[in-house]
Amino acid sequence: QVQLQESGPGLVKPSQTLALTCIVSGDSINNGGYYWSWIRHHPGKGLEWIGHIYYSGSTSYNPSLKSRVTISLETSKNHFSLKLSSVTAADTAVYYCARDSGGSGPDQWGQGTQVTVSS
Amino acid sequence: DIQMTQSPSSLSASVGDRVTITCRASQDISKSLAWFQQKPGKAPKSLIYVASSLQSGVPSKFSGSGSGTDFTLTISSLQPEDFATYYCLQSKSYPLTFGGGTKVDIK
Repeated sequence: QVQLQESGPGLVKPSQTLALTCIVSGDSINNGGYYWSWIRHHPGKGLEWIGHIYYSGSTSYNPSLKSRVTISLETSKNHFSLKLSSVTAADTAVYYCARDSGGSGPDQWGQGTQVTVSS
Repeated sequence: DIQMTQSPSSLSASVGDRVTITCRASQDISKSLAWFQQKPGKAPKSLIYVASSLQSGVPSKFSGSGSGTDFTLTISSLQPEDFATYYCLQSKSYPLTFGGGTKVDIK
């Protein structure tokens, strides 16, 4: 059974870069067929897809965030990462990593990590 | 972007009730729709994919239907553990987009 676990700082200052890692166990991110995704949940609001990366390294991002987002793979450590630059209070959210089989939506999720943007 | 409109945004129901939640896409998404359940403080849980296929381990009281622009999630007999917020997600085209959610609470 695949498991995903987010890690990273819970507090980020405005204008800085948010950096999170998703550690994957029970599956190899090198295996074909899966996309590795980041999704966030703003307080009191709905879910927002940030983007994903395929095992080949190809990426897709939400245009609303594209200029600030980078998702990358660390295959030697079996994890993938999110970087979101120039953050503001509007980026305060619970951030989830997830596995997506492509066309079917995410089937496995991490437990989520709260990130607050504040000075 | 494809807009996903869920209705109702909230509903109150009793244990044993049959509950139906609707999701409408702003354009044809074929069957590229998934449903998720989220409880407070927890990660979303995948229930249904490609509109009507049940994820492994999900009880058969959950069912999904629809194609094109109109989709439904049905819970055949609501149980206490089913009180939660439900979201739909379209994966037909980028960016993937979620519905606004339907909160199901106890009447």
